[in-house]
Amino acid sequence: KAGVTQTPRYLIKTRGQQVTLSCSPISGHRSVSWYQQTPGQGLQFLFEYFSETQRNKGNFPGRFSGRQFSNSRSEMNVSTLELGDSALYLCASSYNGGLGNEKLFFGSGTQLSVL
Amino acid sequence: AQSVTQPDIHITVSEGASLELRCNYSYGATPYLFWYVQSPGQGLQLLLKYFSGDTLVQGIKGFEAEFKRSQSSFNLRKPSVHWSDAAEYFCAVGAHTGNQFYFGTGTSLTVIP
Repeated sequence: KAGVTQTPRYLIKTRGQQVTLSCSPISGHRSVSWYQQTPGQGLQFLFEYFSETQRNKGNFPGRFSGRQFSNSRSEMNVSTLELGDSALYLCASSYNGGLGNEKLFFGSGTQLSVL
Repeated sequence: AQSVTQPDIHITVSEGASLELRCNYSYGATPYLFWYVQSPGQGLQLLLKYFSGDTLVQGIKGFEAEFKRSQSSFNLRKPSVHWSDAAEYFCAVGAHTGNQFYFGTGTSLTVIP
């Protein structure tokens, strides 16, 4: 079974631009979550999607958005990029989730650099 | 508010020595607790998890962790470290209200020969 796939692996953007990241979960997994990882901050929860609906959202500005398609693939969009958005963005999938007790399967991440 | 603290940013141990990584959590209810490991350039991999029952849980790669409610801790241990254990380790608590997890800032482990 293929793991969680994130594309692209690396991105370089300039301030003010927008970016879209993609995540394909493990086959059969219906929950997809996104995390921002920065040195010293660890992983911070962005949002979670289940059956094409955003089910949970973290404390990030509205510039960060996402969506999930009927095949469970998910995209994350960041508009009006700021220097502080430079980070590793990790996608994680799980079969169902819902109670915070399910193992997450992580992709290798997309490293975003904002210049 | 839920939170996880990993007091040690970086730890260096000799190969063959024992290891303990500290994790303290803040959560109102009985927590769902996890330890993940991240190797360079990789995503996170689950080492072990605690939901209830026996407070000493066994995981993969010879790791174990002990839940201590009185100390709000969930420390990770390994009796004999291997060079391949060098990685970043994250403790996390799962929110009962949804598929949302709170991670610590991580502990970077260096293993010297």
